[in-house]
Parts: sequence; structure tokens; C-alpha cells
Amino acid sequence: DAMVIQNPRYQVTQFGKPVTLSCSQTLNHNVMYWYQQKSSQAPKLLFHYYDKDFNNEADTPDNFQSRRPNTSFCFLDIRSPGLGDAAMYLCATSRVEGWHSNQPQHFGDGTRLSIL
Amino acid sequence: DQQVKQNSPSLSVQEGRISILNCDYTNSMFDYFLWYKKYPAEGPTFLISISSIKDKNEDGRFTVFLNKSAKHLSLHIVPSQPGDSAVYFCAALSPGNTPLVFGKGTRLSVIA
Repeated sequence: DAMVIQNPRYQVTQFGKPVTLSCSQTLNHNVMYWYQQKSSQAPKLLFHYYDKDFNNEADTPDNFQSRRPNTSFCFLDIRSPGLGDAAMYLCATSRVEGWHSNQPQHFGDGTRLSIL
Repeated sequence: DQQVKQNSPSLSVQEGRISILNCDYTNSMFDYFLWYKKYPAEGPTFLISISSIKDKNEDGRFTVFLNKSAKHLSLHIVPSQPGDSAVYFCAALSPGNTPLVFGKGTRLSVIA
């Protein structure tokens, strides 16, 4: 019962060619996150949607964009991928209510992006 | 500047023994801590959590201890099993709609 689904699992794109990664969830969680994880490093938050409100991390490059057309889906668009963007991209969801929500995030299995 | 640190990149333990994974943090605003387990080619899976009002939380073979004065938490797995071999991430939350802050992970190998 996959609850956070990422497609595709592996993506190869050419240097500079736009690419879109997708994430869907069946948990009806109000928050969706995109992380970038490189080898032996902590997952790095790129941005998150709190309902429809988009929250960008200060150090996320402009090359990275996101869309959330509805509660269930969230997309990560990389407009002009560079070699340094090769990484695992993780989508996560959580239910946040009020000021603080002690709820864990649920992760998808990730999309491994390679740049040629 | 890393707010959540896992200083041991790897750990090897014999099957049946105790595994102890450590995590230190610097942000005194953190009030909720989580451990995630990650197998290769899979996303992190939530394992266990602890609120800052507690100093211990136990779930089966997994126990998390929190020492707020030392800003340190640890995950104990006993007895360790080969299926526990994975990368373990420590993560922390502070109040408000703030994102999780992860450590770099510790790779646990349980040897049969």
C-alpha cells in the first residue's frame, strides 16, 4: 500500500534539458515536501507546500520550481539541470495542524536523477 | 552549520547484540525528535520519535533516549538483527510550521 508514490524511480536527462518529477499521495496530508539528497549527506529541503501556500528555502536555486495542482499531487520542475543536480529527490508528506504538529513525515521511495 | 549531527558515519554490530546510534543537536528550540530508517533504493521510513517532555520512548526492540541537558539522543536496538542493516537518520523539529532538520545518517551493518 504505497502511500507516497514517486514517478519515475529513475530519471535520466540531458544537461540543460528540463525535467519534471512527480509525487502523489493517498494520505490526504496537507503538507508536501521536496528534498534533495546526495550521497552520504542529509536530505536537504528544497521547498514545501502548506496546503496551497508555497514555502521556498532560502538557498534553493531558482532552477528548481514546484507545482501543487491539488492535495494529492506535487511536481518538482528542474528548468535547466546541471551536473550538480544529479541526486536522489525525495517527496514527503505530513499532516500539520495548528502551531505544532508532532507528526512524522512519510516519504516516497525517491527518484534518482542522472544528468548526461 | 549542522544543527543535527550524527558523528559516526557507520557502525558494525553482531547479530543479537545491542546497536547504539547517537545524535547530537545544537538548536535548543528543537522539541521533537525522530529516527528514520532507510534501505537502499527506498525512501526513509519513520521508526520512532520522542517529545522533549520525555527522556525515553520504547517500541519493541527500539528505544530512543533523550538527554536535553547534553542535547543528545540515542537509538538503541536490541537485539540487533541482520534486517536492521540500513542507514539511520536522526531528525528534529522545532515549534511552528518548520521543516525537519536531518542528520547525515549512520550506516548500521548487523553481521550474522
